[in-house]
Amino acid sequence: KQEVTQIPAALSVPEGENLVLNCSFTDSAIYNLQWFRQDPGKGLTSLLLIQSSQREQTSGRLNASLDKSSGRSTLYIAASQPGDSATYLCAVRSWVYKLSFGAGTTVTVRA
Amino acid sequence: EPEVTQTPSHQVTQMGQEVILRCVPISNHLYFYWYRQILGQKVEFLVSFYNNEISEKSEIFDDQFSVERPDGSNFTLKIRSTKLEDSAMYFCASRGLAESYNEQFFGPGTRLTVL
Repeated sequence: KQEVTQIPAALSVPEGENLVLNCSFTDSAIYNLQWFRQDPGKGLTSLLLIQSSQREQTSGRLNASLDKSSGRSTLYIAASQPGDSATYLCAVRSWVYKLSFGAGTTVTVRA
Repeated sequence: EPEVTQTPSHQVTQMGQEVILRCVPISNHLYFYWYRQILGQKVEFLVSFYNNEISEKSEIFDDQFSVERPDGSNFTLKIRSTKLEDSAMYFCASRGLAESYNEQFFGPGTRLTVL
């Protein structure tokens, strides 16, 4: 059974600082990994998807890396802004249909 | 930009009642999913649906749950006799066929409150 862990559970940084969010998973036989953003009481917004054959994926200030063999992914957010305050979820798709989610990292960016 | 939509946004029901949660996936997508998130907990997979049948389901998805694609656009989740512990946010998701880029897109969710 795939287990996904996200560390830290919460993070508070001053505006402008770079954010580093970590995700680890127990079964390295994955198909892809997705990072999501969730605002309080809201749905899930997909940020980035990394295929198992990729090492990195970038979108604007976001960069996600994947080390499948060690079961790790890292989401980097450059030059954080107060609008980046949210919970960030990592989800792994193994060789079946479903996504297995981590518990998330709640980020607060202080102005 | 195409998006997944869900109705209602909030449903309040009495324990033992039946509820139907509705979703309209992105129009050219072929894989459909239901997930749920109990307050303060992880998002959990319930069921996936492809080619008019369930392709995978979790242990949560027992006989009280069913899914249906009644027409070419809607995808529904029915809970036959709701329990207090069914209170959660329910998310619908869909994805396309192309394996080269198979991102799951999520709807805004339906908050189900069972009293």
